Amino acid sequence: EIVLTQSPATLSLSPGERATLSCRASQSVSTYLVWYQQIPGHPPRLVIYDASKRATGIPARFSASGSGTDFTLTISSLEPEDFAVYYCQQRTNRPPWTFGQGTKVEIK
Amino acid sequence: QVQLVQSGAEVKKPGSSVKVSCKASGGSFRSDVLTWVRQAPGQGLEWMGGIIPIFHKVNYAQKFQGRVTFSADESTSTAYMELTGLTSEDTAVYYCTRDWGGSDYWGQGTLVTVSS
Repeated sequence: EIVLTQSPATLSLSPGERATLSCRASQSVSTYLVWYQQIPGHPPRLVIYDASKRATGIPARFSASGSGTDFTLTISSLEPEDFAVYYCQQRTNRPPWTFGQGTKVEIK
Repeated sequence: QVQLVQSGAEVKKPGSSVKVSCKASGGSFRSDVLTWVRQAPGQGLEWMGGIIPIFHKVNYAQKFQGRVTFSADESTSTAYMELTGLTSEDTAVYYCTRDWGGSDYWGQGTLVTVSS
């Protein structure tokens, strides 16, 4: 089973600041990596698929990169609605499609 | 626009079973990949597996093998997840999702509480 490790666990930032979230895989997942945003009490929302492609309706301040084992999600300038928990998930042809443990982006 | 509407909250006794439904509309139910994800209170997301109705193909996470069954009724565009042998550790919100390179549509979630 592929293990995803997200860091940091919590990111304390102010609106307008840049957020950089990391996701590291225990073995290569190529670019079969997605990112979700979850606001408490709501289902997750797809933000990024194929490691770097924004999902429909996701603003351009969200960007992502990486391949193999190291991935990054960047929010260029945090808006109030961006404070949430972010999860990465790998989706290779070797199920299970595991999730990382999440990074909470909180208001400083 | 795809919509996934799940059945309501359940309270179950330890050792019993639960069956959660997920009715889809607006998509290509037969050829979609439908996955199930759960989230225990205050915890992260856990992928349980998925089903492709048109191929009658299912894939279960090893952790749930032997305890979970996914099924799909094409006539009503409804997917089902049945989990048996419930323990308190199965208390969670269960989500169905439509997966297209990522879970782009999610049901509203079904809270399953296991308590004696």
